[in-house]
Amino acid sequence: GAGVSQSPSNKVTEKGKDVELRCDPISGHTALYWYRQSLGQGLEFLIYFQGNSAPDKSGLPSDRFSAERTGGSVSTLTIQRTQQEDSAVYLCASRWTGLDNNEQFFGPGTRLTVL
Amino acid sequence: DAKTTQPPSMDCAEGRAANLPCNHSTISGNEYVYWYRQIHSQGPQYIIHGLKNNETNEMASLIITEDRKSSTLILPHATLRDTAVYYCIVSGTNDYKLSFGAGTTVTVRA
Repeated sequence: GAGVSQSPSNKVTEKGKDVELRCDPISGHTALYWYRQSLGQGLEFLIYFQGNSAPDKSGLPSDRFSAERTGGSVSTLTIQRTQQEDSAVYLCASRWTGLDNNEQFFGPGTRLTVL
Repeated sequence: DAKTTQPPSMDCAEGRAANLPCNHSTISGNEYVYWYRQIHSQGPQYIIHGLKNNETNEMASLIITEDRKSSTLILPHATLRDTAVYYCIVSGTNDYKLSFGAGTTVTVRA
């Protein structure tokens, strides 16, 4: 079966532009996460979706960042008015909450470069 | 507020066992120990997890001390493809986030 997919794989944009990053989770996985990984750093949690519950947005670094998950499947992370410090790899992960563990399946990431 | 401590790096010879230590002295009773790894330019990959018993799967073995304050991930026969950053993470049954620290950069050498 297909794993988590993300698009685009690479995105180069100019400072001040808006970008949209897409995540297709594994079919049947009700939990979806976005993380950010800056160069040489560990992963930073951004947002969590679980079913129809209100998302946990506690990791979003500013109000320029938003995410939505339509139909309980595909998710889009939007960054408005991008800044150079937004340059990072954005990783999406999904999880089947039917298991009592925290095994998350990660996508390959989108490398965002803000010039 | 790191819950785990890992050495920043270690080398391993190809074909030998790699033993990756992790300290988690403040772990609580309902928290599991998870191991993930991240190969260069890829997303993290789940390896194994355990609560208090030792665990083994097709990728690795996890040895947890009786007091649960530390654990060791064992890659039985390291290959060049095992070169990656290995993350030890403590996560409770009600936790849905994973807190990734700096991990251990493991380099397998021929």
